[in-house]
Amino acid sequence: GAGVSQTPSNKVTEKGKYVELRCDPISGHTALYWYRQSLGQGPEFLIYFQGTGAADDSGLPNDRFFAVRPEGSVSTLKIQRTERGDSAVYLCASSITGELFFGEGSRLTVL
Amino acid sequence: QQPVQSPQAVILREGEDAVINCSSSKALYSVHWYRQKHGEAPVFLMILLKGGEQKGHEKISASFNEKKQQSSLYLTASQLSYSGTYFCGPIKAAGNKLTFGGGTRVLVKP
Repeated sequence: GAGVSQTPSNKVTEKGKYVELRCDPISGHTALYWYRQSLGQGPEFLIYFQGTGAADDSGLPNDRFFAVRPEGSVSTLKIQRTERGDSAVYLCASSITGELFFGEGSRLTVL
Repeated sequence: QQPVQSPQAVILREGEDAVINCSSSKALYSVHWYRQKHGEAPVFLMILLKGGEQKGHEKISASFNEKKQQSSLYLTASQLSYSGTYFCGPIKAAGNKLTFGGGTRVLVKP
C-alpha cells in the first residue's frame, strides 16, 4: 500500500478481554516497530522486528503483550487480559533506510 | 534509557527562532528528529549520523555532537506550520532500536 495501515483505528474493550491490533507496513520495508503513546507523552518503544524475527522486544511491559510478524510483512500486537492502564494509542512504523514511516495508530480504550 | 529534551515547551511569534536540545546519557550512533501535529502520526524530519554534520528541512536544521552525546534542532524564521511536538530519537548503534524523548511542544503564533 501507499502508507502504513493500522486496524482497527479505534478499539473499546472491557478489562480482562483479549485484543489484537494489526499493522500493514509499506511494501518492501523490512523493519517494523510498535510504539505506545499516552496523551502528552512521547512514543514509548515496545518491540522492533527485522524481517520475521523480533530484533528487540525489551519494551514489552509484561508477558500480557506479544507481537508476531510471521511472514515478514503484516504484524499483529496481541494484548491479553487487558487492564485500564493499557489504554493508549498504539503506533506502528516501518522502515527500510532508517527513517520511520508511521501509521495513524490504533486507539485502545479499556473500560 | 529515554533521552532528555529541553525545553518542554516554547511559544514563538511567526518569524522568530528557537532551539530544541536533545541529550543522551549514552554514546550515540545517530539521531532522528520527528514532528507530530495534534491528532496525527509523527512525521520524519531528518537523521543525523556521527561526524557533527548538520542537515536541513525547510528552514529547520539540526546538528549532532557525538562527543557531547547531544543534538540540537534549530527552527529559523518560524512559520505557523512549524507548530507541533518535536521528538528526538537517538540510536546507540547501527541496527538498534529507536527510543524517543518526551517531546518539545512548539506553538507558533501569528
